[in-house]
Formats: sequence, structure tokens, C-alpha cells
Amino acid sequence: RKEVEQDPGPFNVPEGATVAFNCTYSNSASQSFFWYRQDCRKEPKLLMSVYSSGNEDGRFTAQLNRASQYISLLIRDSKLSDSATYLCVVMDSSYKLIFGSGTRLLVRP
Amino acid sequence: DTAVSQTPKYLVTQMGNDKSIKCEQNLGHDTMYWYKQDSKKFLKIMFSYNNKELIINETVPNRFSPKSPDKAHLNLHINSLELGDSAVYFCASSQGQTSHREQYFGPGTRLTVT
Repeated sequence: RKEVEQDPGPFNVPEGATVAFNCTYSNSASQSFFWYRQDCRKEPKLLMSVYSSGNEDGRFTAQLNRASQYISLLIRDSKLSDSATYLCVVMDSSYKLIFGSGTRLLVRP
Repeated sequence: DTAVSQTPKYLVTQMGNDKSIKCEQNLGHDTMYWYKQDSKKFLKIMFSYNNKELIINETVPNRFSPKSPDKAHLNLHINSLELGDSAVYFCASSQGQTSHREQYFGPGTRLTVT
């Protein structure tokens, strides 16, 4: 079983749509959680950290369910510029970042 | 003004050769990393250095040898390159290594071994 699992997609949505990505992780000792964004042939960049109580940053909302070992990312009012691969990332107990393989999002006009 | 820079950006070489990739960060961070992203897009950590000391060394062949001459630099030397080494190699840095410390990635070095 992969340590961090994501649906690879692609998710193909129209501008303005709301889209949600899910991620599960296998190590219950994981201590921190993140969503990174990676554009095609570019480096990953931190989108947002994920806190236990859930957190929001503009159109982006992240949720964490420790009991189910599940992380989600909701994007509201999708923009063309949101097209990218979204990487679910978990930090393990030795401070290593474990990356999922990513979920690809395509926002069409 | 690039925060984390890597050279070269592209590297095409033949099997059996030895090559190096260089990484520099100007963020004043004390921790640097090397990651490998394979053709299936999995990004996996290879090494991490904190204040020039090796702190993470994943199960990576001995042909890969990192070297950190100072806190701002982390180089990766690869001996006897193999076809399976073809990937994108990302350098990253952070201030400290504890939770919620954002890692900043370099632009990547696309290595192709023929």
C-alpha cells in the first residue's frame, strides 16, 4: 500500500466549478499535512498547510480527518490558472515529506 | 533573485558516466534536500542536510553521493550512471526541519541517461 494515495485524475471542470480532491495516508504517526501545487515541468510549491480544525485560504479549503487518515482540498470558483497537479504531502515522525503522486486538474473555459 | 537554483537544468549523458548537479539557496536556510521525481511523478526524498550534516539518507545506491560545502550549497554527484537514474532531480531548502516549515524547491534538473 502506498504511504500517500491520491486519485490521479484528471479532473476536467469548467471555470467557476467547485472541485474536491481527496487523499489518504497510511501512517497514523504522521504529524503534519500539506497540499503542494506543481505546474507542468515546474517545481512543487506549497499551496497550504492542513490543520486539524480545517483551514481556508481564499477559494481553497483544506480538511483533515485524523481518525480516517484522510485529507481533502476543495477549490471553489475554479480559474483557468488553477490547472495544475495537486500533491498531497504528509510529514512523518522523522520530519520527512512523503508525497502522493498527485491529482491533475484541468479547468476549461 | 532565484531563491533555490540548480545547475544544469538539463543533463543528457550516457550510461557509465559520472555527473554532478549543483544546488544553491540564498534564503539563509539551514536545511537542504535532494528529491527524485520519476516518470510516474512520484517525488521521493533522497538526502537531507542540516547545517552541513547529513540527517536523512534514504535507501539510495552508493553511486549517489551528496556533498554540502556550506549551508547554502548541496551538490549531488552520481557515479556510473544507469538508465534507471533518468528522472527529474529537485533540490529544496527549509529553515529547520520540523513540522510546518515550508520547503522551497529549485526548478529541477532533468537527467536523461541513454
